[in-house]
Parts: sequence; C-alpha cells; structure tokens
Amino acid sequence: NAGVTQTPKFQVLKTGQSMTLQCAQDMNHNSMYWYRQDPGMGLRLIYYSASEGTTDKGEVPNGYNVSRLNKREFSLRLESAAPSQTSVYFCASSQGTGPYEQYFGPGTRLTVT
Amino acid sequence: QKEVEQDPGPLSVPEGAIVSLNCTYSNSAFQYFMWYRQYSRKGPELLMYTYSSGNKEDGRFTAQVDKSSKYISLFIRDSQPSDSATYLCAMSETSGGSYIPTFGRGTSLIVHP
Repeated sequence: NAGVTQTPKFQVLKTGQSMTLQCAQDMNHNSMYWYRQDPGMGLRLIYYSASEGTTDKGEVPNGYNVSRLNKREFSLRLESAAPSQTSVYFCASSQGTGPYEQYFGPGTRLTVT
Repeated sequence: QKEVEQDPGPLSVPEGAIVSLNCTYSNSAFQYFMWYRQYSRKGPELLMYTYSSGNKEDGRFTAQVDKSSKYISLFIRDSQPSDSATYLCAMSETSGGSYIPTFGRGTSLIVHP
C-alpha cells in the first residue's frame, strides 16, 4: 500500500502560470482534502471532497479549483499562480468525514516567483 | 483570534525530559481531540486521539483534555531525540455532519542528546 501519493514533490512557477497538483490514495477512502501549510500558520484547508462527486470549499479556497476525478484521485489546480500561493501543499484522505484519522501525503513544495 | 491556539516554540529539551505540549481552544462544540506528529519535510501522521474529556495513555505518550478550561495537553515521558518533530493539535465537532478538524499552528520540539 502506497497510502497517499502526491506529484510533483517540488515545483517552481512564474507568476501567472498554471499547474495541477495530483493526489491519489489506495486505501478506498471516501473523503479527500487539500491543505496548505505556511510557517506560523499551521494547516489550512483549501478544499475537500466528502465523497466521490462532491467538493466543498474550505478556509482558503480563493485562487484554487479542485476536481475529484474518481474515488482514488483528487487534483488541485492553480489557474494563475501568485507569490502568495508559495507554500507546502498536502493532500489527505480519510474513511469519511466522521471522526476518522486523516492520512497525509508527503507534500508538494511550490514556489511562485 | 484563531479557534485553536498553539505556541509554535521551538521547545528545546534534553533527552529523558518530560515534555508538555499544549493547545487552547474557543469552540465549546469541539469533542474530538487529536495530536499529529510531523517530521521535517514529511506529512503529519496521527499520534493520539481522544474523545471528550479525560486522559489517554499510549506508551510514553499521554493525551489530556480539560473541556472546562478548553485546554488540551500532550505529555511525552523519557523524551528521545527521535521525538524531535512538530506536534500539531487538531480538534473537531460532532454535530452538523462535518468532523473536519481545525488544526493548531504546531509546536516544534527539539530533543537534544
């Protein structure tokens, strides 16, 4: 079991460029999440998908879009990257949106210049 | 003011010390309390999980919840250099159908030999 995988591990973008962060889980989990982690700010939820076919905004959704491609995959898209989006992005999954453990991927380090 | 407050540290202790990590919160609806451990350049992983008030022990780790004071703690006995990591508290409600946790900013712990 690979758990939660994320690609790419590192990325450097110029302001205005677009990119998609990919996430996949092999635990047959229903719920998936995208967080960003910035120094001193902790983990902040960007978007989540409670189940296949649904997505909802989290605390900081502006500038991002998501797609729940199927039960395994949940992608995060930056349409026009800004320096404020420089961060470490984590994908997570859980059995459901009940009080279940969240399993995190290794993260994507994104720098926008 | 954030719903969950956590001192970012760093907290530096000698090997063998008892470590106390703490979080305060403002939302009285929080019922599930979690501690995640995050090693450098890795994703967080669940360390301990408690429901409502009381203590829970797992090896060298004890989680404590005081709902009357809106205060949770994680104690680490006989701390080891391998405990050096960032510890994030997280908590969630039980009503409304969404248990998505709110994370603290994390406390950086350094255990030196």
